[in-house]
Amino acid sequence: GAVVSQHPSWVICKSGTSVKIECRSLDFQATTMFWYRQFPKQSLMLMATSNEGSKATYEQGVEKDKFLINHASLTLSTLTVTSAHPEDSSFYICSARGTSGSPDTQYFGPGTRLTVL
Amino acid sequence: LAKTTQPISMDSYEGQEVNITCSHNNIATNDYITWYQQFPSQGPRFIIQGYKTKVTNEVASLFIPADRKSSTLSLPRVSLSDTAVYYCLVGDPYSGGGADGLTFGKGTHLIIQP
Repeated sequence: GAVVSQHPSWVICKSGTSVKIECRSLDFQATTMFWYRQFPKQSLMLMATSNEGSKATYEQGVEKDKFLINHASLTLSTLTVTSAHPEDSSFYICSARGTSGSPDTQYFGPGTRLTVL
Repeated sequence: LAKTTQPISMDSYEGQEVNITCSHNNIATNDYITWYQQFPSQGPRFIIQGYKTKVTNEVASLFIPADRKSSTLSLPRVSLSDTAVYYCLVGDPYSGGGADGLTFGKGTHLIIQP
């Protein structure tokens, strides 16, 4: 099946620093990748949609200047949390949408646990 | 995206068949139904996807009645490792370049006991 990886799997940083999270589709090309955030005991919430070669589309309430998304290739998207604060601590999950011709399915990465001190 | 309603939690025992039903009264003609499984601190894992009638794969079956206003995920002979949160989502997977992110509901927390 389709495999999506994320790096790092967890990161701890100091308040005010920036953190970059990578999302890769390992065995398929993904023109579209998505970034989600999940707080403890809550469901996933879509943050933004990332299309290769174009600007990301952010959901309402998500600060685009704080959560920078780059989708430079068909297999890599990055999320940079700039000037992170404790309230940004969360579980960040990416997904990649396959384009195999059959119903497109989103495949999720394993997630990145961000803790901001 | 069509809103879905699932039970918040379910309990069962090892070896039993578990059926989780999802209501999606406002499902659109082009919408498919997709189920994901999520373990704590992991990303959701795709289980099964279907449009109508019945779909079966190596891990589950998906039953969809003719009106498509609900669907049932069936897990045969569950084990302790099936304890997880199960999400039912409805959407159009052929939306192409305008691909939509998924709207997750609260999911069903399935607890399997020995």
